[in-house]
Amino acid sequence: KQEVTQIPAALSVPEGENLVLNCSFTDSAIYNLQWFRQDPGKGLTSLLLIQSSQREQTSGRLNASLDKSSGRSTLYIAASQPGDSATYLCAVTPRNQFYFGTGTSLTVIP
Amino acid sequence: DGGITQSPKYLFRKEGQNVTLSCEQNLNHDAMYWYRQDPGQGLRLIYYSQIVNDFQKGDIAEGYSVSREKKESFPLTVTSAQKNPTAFYLCASSSTDNTEAFFGQGTRLTVV
Repeated sequence: KQEVTQIPAALSVPEGENLVLNCSFTDSAIYNLQWFRQDPGKGLTSLLLIQSSQREQTSGRLNASLDKSSGRSTLYIAASQPGDSATYLCAVTPRNQFYFGTGTSLTVIP
Repeated sequence: DGGITQSPKYLFRKEGQNVTLSCEQNLNHDAMYWYRQDPGQGLRLIYYSQIVNDFQKGDIAEGYSVSREKKESFPLTVTSAQKNPTAFYLCASSSTDNTEAFFGQGTRLTVV
C-alpha cells in the first residue's frame, strides 16, 4: 500500500524567508502528485499538480518538484508571507484514489 | 461558478441516528470521493465512485454508506454502526484519469 510521509510536521519561519517542504512516497508507480493548502476548518485548495512525466511546476512564489525514482517531492515557497500560514498536504495518485500525507503546519511570523 | 458544494457546514447527531452529508459538483467530473479527517491522522478514504451507479469501499468504509444516482451528486450516510463518527468530512472530485482533485469546504459532524 502507498505510504506518504511529510517532513517536518510543523515549521515556523520569519516573514521573508524561503522554505522547503518535503513529501516522500513508497511506491513510485504514480500518475500525479498534487500539493494542497488547508486553512483551519476549511477544505483543501489545490496549489500545484505535477503529472508523472513532469519534473516540476511553478505558480507565483511556489515551485514543486517531483523525483519519481527516489519517491520524493518538494514544495519551495519563496519570500514567505504571514498569509502563507496554513497546513500543506501532498497527495499521490497511483490509481483510482489519492493517498495523502499528514501535512506540514506552517507558521510565518511577521 | 464551478466547484464542489458540501452541506451542511456543521452537523450534530444524536447517538443512534443516521445522518446524510450532501456533496454536489458542477465540474462534470466522473470520479467523486469521500474522506474523513481526524487530527494527526491525515485524510482517510471512506468511499469513492468512478461512474454513476458504481462505487467502491475505501480504507474505512465500515459504518458508512453512499449512493451515486446522478453524476453531480455523491451523498454520504453516517449510520449508527459508525462507532466514532465525530470528524471533519471532505468530498472531492476529479476527472476519470485522476488528474487534479478538487475539494469541497467540508462538513464537521459532532455526535452529542
